[in-house]
Amino acid sequence: AQSVTQPDIHITVSEGASLELRCNYSYGATPYLFWYVQSPGQGLQLLLKYFSGDTLVQGIKGFEAEFKRSQSSFNLRKPSVHWSDAAEYFCANEKLTFGTGTRLTIIP
Amino acid sequence: DTAVSQTPKYLVTQMGNDKSIKCEQNLGHDTMYWYKQDSKKFLKIMFSYNNKELIINETVPNRFSPKSPDKAHLNLHINSLELGDSAVYFCASSQGGARADTQYFGPGTRLTVL
Repeated sequence: AQSVTQPDIHITVSEGASLELRCNYSYGATPYLFWYVQSPGQGLQLLLKYFSGDTLVQGIKGFEAEFKRSQSSFNLRKPSVHWSDAAEYFCANEKLTFGTGTRLTIIP
Repeated sequence: DTAVSQTPKYLVTQMGNDKSIKCEQNLGHDTMYWYKQDSKKFLKIMFSYNNKELIINETVPNRFSPKSPDKAHLNLHINSLELGDSAVYFCASSQGGARADTQYFGPGTRLTVL
């Protein structure tokens, strides 16, 4: 079955530092992949998605993600995090399968 | 002008009761979804409707019954509530049911079964 895996349950970074959240997928063909963010007490919001073309995808709030077929990965990155980025981040595929989420904590 | 709204936001009830959660979207989307998020934040698709027709029905107890009176509404009725039903339930919608469609989520309904 197709799946997405987020190896990191919880990540803590300092404000202003760079961020990379990992997502791995298992699928033979090119998957459609999504990153969502869930702020405390809120629903999920789409950050970006990939389904074809350029493997580096730009999203909202300064996020980007890179699709790497050789590594079966779709990692989310941000060059400089802000305190408001503290949230839960979910990777998902087009089969509506979500990863288990990575909780991001920002320290001053 | 909330895009996807859910009522109620919180629902506390006793085991064995029957309850409903309502969802409405004003985005003009054709497809709506129900998800369950457990205490560990694991998010699982339950149902999906496209133009009032059921298109996804995952392995969910038949105590859960979705109803779509029109394409802007997708309600979730739960019979004989159990402790394990406690979770946050999210409604979502998308333009169509295509693979690349963006889903828009509601704020969630936190259900607590005592």
